[in-house]
Amino acid sequence: EIVLTQFPGTLSLSPGERATLSCRASQSVSSSFLAWYQQKPGRPPRLLIYDASSRAAGIPDRFSGSGSGTDFTLTISRLEPEDFAVYYCQHYGTSTRTFGQGTKVEIK
Amino acid sequence: EVQLVESGGGLVQPGGSLRLSCSASGFTFYSYAMHWVRQTPEKRLEYVSAISTDGLSTYYADSVRGRFTISRDNSKSTLFLQMTSLRPEDTALYYCVKGLTYAVSACHNWGQGTLVTVSS
Repeated sequence: EIVLTQFPGTLSLSPGERATLSCRASQSVSSSFLAWYQQKPGRPPRLLIYDASSRAAGIPDRFSGSGSGTDFTLTISRLEPEDFAVYYCQHYGTSTRTFGQGTKVEIK
Repeated sequence: EVQLVESGGGLVQPGGSLRLSCSASGFTFYSYAMHWVRQTPEKRLEYVSAISTDGLSTYYADSVRGRFTISRDNSKSTLFLQMTSLRPEDTALYYCVKGLTYAVSACHNWGQGTLVTVSS
């Protein structure tokens, strides 16, 4: 099973700042089957990025994904007040599908 | 608008069974793979199971394989998860999720979840 480790656990930033979230896989992720989700309290997760770098429909372009192999990054170019939330990465291969433990982006 | 409405959760004793249902609308149900994902009380997301468009191909996490069975009724746009031999560690909010495509893909649209509590 591929284990996904997200870091940092918590990111304290101010609105307008750039956020860089990391997700590291224990082994190479095939075909960049890597997604990022945002979750706010009391709400289900929302798909932001799929296939490592493709934005889901309706997602603002301040969200971008990059990476390949074992190292992936979610970047929020300029944080808006509604972006403070928990973010999860997920691998969705044919034989293994796992989530990272999450990164909380909080207001500094 | 895509709508996914889960039902069937509740309190069950260890070793017991539950059947979750998910009623889908707003999209062509038979054209998409469907998934179950759960979130533990500690907020950890765990991928549980997936099923292909025709129901012939399924995926299970190691932690539930042999105890849970996923199925779908395309004529009624409904997804199911039969859970048996339930354990306290199965306690979670269970989400019904529509895949991004018909194939292996990210989890696109999520329901609001149904709570399963396994406790004596």
